[in-house]
Amino acid sequence: VQLVEAGGGVVRPGGPLRLSCAASGFTFDDYGMSWVRQGQGKGLEWVSGIDWSGAGTGYADSVKGRFTISRDNANNSLYLQMNSLTAEDTALYHCVRGYRDAFEMWGRGTMVIVSS
Amino acid sequence: EIVLTQSPDFQSVTPKERVTITCRASQNIGTNLHWYQQKPDQSPKLLIKFASQSISGVPSRFSGSGSGTDFTLTINSLEAEDAAVYYCHQSSTLVSITFGQGTRLDIK
Repeated sequence: VQLVEAGGGVVRPGGPLRLSCAASGFTFDDYGMSWVRQGQGKGLEWVSGIDWSGAGTGYADSVKGRFTISRDNANNSLYLQMNSLTAEDTALYHCVRGYRDAFEMWGRGTMVIVSS
Repeated sequence: EIVLTQSPDFQSVTPKERVTITCRASQNIGTNLHWYQQKPDQSPKLLIKFASQSISGVPSRFSGSGSGTDFTLTINSLEAEDAAVYYCHQSSTLVSITFGQGTRLDIK
């Protein structure tokens, strides 16, 4: 039972990046999913969530209009398309099982660094 | 946005002590409040869900209580391995999801 993130890296301010999360060991489309980020030495910040079907989504105010969450239940995958990135988006991004409930499972995260 | 305020920010305690961490919500969130433990270089781990529901595999010394705006995480008979940062998190369906700022627990 695990969540494995990929797609992080160094990107220039204003640039895009797409994160992915591969889920295994559980019935993916039984669960809502979220992305939660953590800056170096900082606390946890919920970024975005999506319900089991993909029809319902939510975003933190800090990323609304710039980030888009999606999922592919056929391939047990979660995505986060990030556009117009700024230095404030630099963080470790965790894929998390859960949305409008407790976050029961966390991936190890993928690092995003926004720097010129 | 619902703001979650944890207290204290930091606490240094000795083994076998009883520890209480509080989380206050700026609005009524019912029991949509969850607690996590994060050790250095690890991902957060769910300890308690919906204010007081225990999680399989979590030691019984961890318990939660509260509803509405005031919540408590209690650790009975603290052990050295409990050194970590603890976060509360609200999942109210009406508003954006938020976390508390975290409480760092050091073991003397």
